[in-house]
Amino acid sequence: DQQVKQNSPSLSVQEGRISILNCDYTNSMFDYFLWYKKYPAEGPTFLISISSIKDKNEDGRFTVFLNKSAKHLSLHIVPSQPGDSAVYFCAASDSGGSNYKLTFGKGTLLTVNP
Amino acid sequence: DAGVIQSPRHEVTEMGQEVTLRCKPISGHDYLFWYRQTMMRGLELLIYFNNNVPIDDSGMPEDRFSAKMPNASFSTLKIQPSEPRDSAVYFCASSWVLAGVGKETQYFGPGTRLLVL
Repeated sequence: DQQVKQNSPSLSVQEGRISILNCDYTNSMFDYFLWYKKYPAEGPTFLISISSIKDKNEDGRFTVFLNKSAKHLSLHIVPSQPGDSAVYFCAASDSGGSNYKLTFGKGTLLTVNP
Repeated sequence: DAGVIQSPRHEVTEMGQEVTLRCKPISGHDYLFWYRQTMMRGLELLIYFNNNVPIDDSGMPEDRFSAKMPNASFSTLKIQPSEPRDSAVYFCASSWVLAGVGKETQYFGPGTRLLVL
């Protein structure tokens, strides 16, 4: 029972173009969402997050959009750079009460071609 | 800060042997998490601690797995006896929560790649 789904295992984009990574969730109790980036042989690193009270959060080249009614979020990277090539994990949290668990998707491998 | 430190980085062992993975969280963080990453299941939370106390161990797969946090700067994940299906990358992460401000961001260590033959 996967509560956070990233249906595209991989994505290939040309340098300078937009990368769009998608994530769907099923648990309506999730109210905080994060994206992590992971390079080979390293741990995931936090990239950007969004609370369910917002529908957009922007940080430089990275923007996360949240559509609560569709239980869908997406990460936009503009413009994409070869250094962005990594595995991107979507994660969600039900931060009510004292629960700080993150539930992760399986990840999407982004390849940005020069 | 050195970040989350995990040791060893790689471990190869034979089925039936005991395996101990170690983690030093970032100083000042009061949450510690152990994850396992496999191709089939992705990143799974095994257990997490708050102020050295285990809060949720529902992700621990079997009694062969145990985790301890004797103090704020050290945690272990032990597998005894180990089996080939335990082969995975094990990550430790730590975080702190800013009360009234927002939510946690977890900082991950580099992981321990475990291979059980």
